[in-house]
Amino acid sequence: DAGVIQSPRHEVTEMGQEVTLRCKPISGHNSLFWYRQTMMRGLELLIYFNNNVPIDDSGMPEDRFSAKMPNASFSTLKIQPSEPRDSAVYFCASSLGASGANVLTFGAGSRLTVL
Amino acid sequence: QKEVEQNSGPLSVPEGAIASLNCTYSDRVSQSFFWYRQYSGKSPELIMSIYSNGDKEDGRFTAQLNKASQYVSLLIRDSQPSDSATYLCAVEDSNYQLIWGAGTKLIIKP
Repeated sequence: DAGVIQSPRHEVTEMGQEVTLRCKPISGHNSLFWYRQTMMRGLELLIYFNNNVPIDDSGMPEDRFSAKMPNASFSTLKIQPSEPRDSAVYFCASSLGASGANVLTFGAGSRLTVL
Repeated sequence: QKEVEQNSGPLSVPEGAIASLNCTYSDRVSQSFFWYRQYSGKSPELIMSIYSNGDKEDGRFTAQLNKASQYVSLLIRDSQPSDSATYLCAVEDSNYQLIWGAGTKLIIKP
């Protein structure tokens, strides 16, 4: 398996622009997680899906952020409009189950810079 | 507020020595504990999981868990320069979700 695949790897955009990050989880994994990592706040869970259904989005910072999982092999995280404080590395991870006891496999991450 | 605490470091250890990384957690009902390694510019990867009190060994790595003291540690024997990374402690909370520590940066000096 190719692992969790994220795109783009790097994104530089200007404040106010829409940003879409994409993720393909490992085939057979039924849980998908979106994390954000910054030096100041560390690794933060934004939202997770189980069987394509959003279970907990309490970590989504505000309405500018939205996430979808239209099928078992694809998810998007959208920021509209983007702000400089959104600059971070965004990781997608998948696991066999929603419980944390299942091992998370992370994608390579999408580094977002908002100017 | 459920918390996982780690010393941010950096922790500097000579090559060949034992590196000891520590983590404390606040949620008494936690049952599952994980150590992830993250190289600079890379994503976290799981290196150890532990669920029962005591020690669990895997090669040069040993995870130690003490639920009474709410303490989990990671020992790395015969430290190598390739072990230089940030080590993230993650604890499963009562809602079965992972709470992450801020990570300890480990530097192995040749």
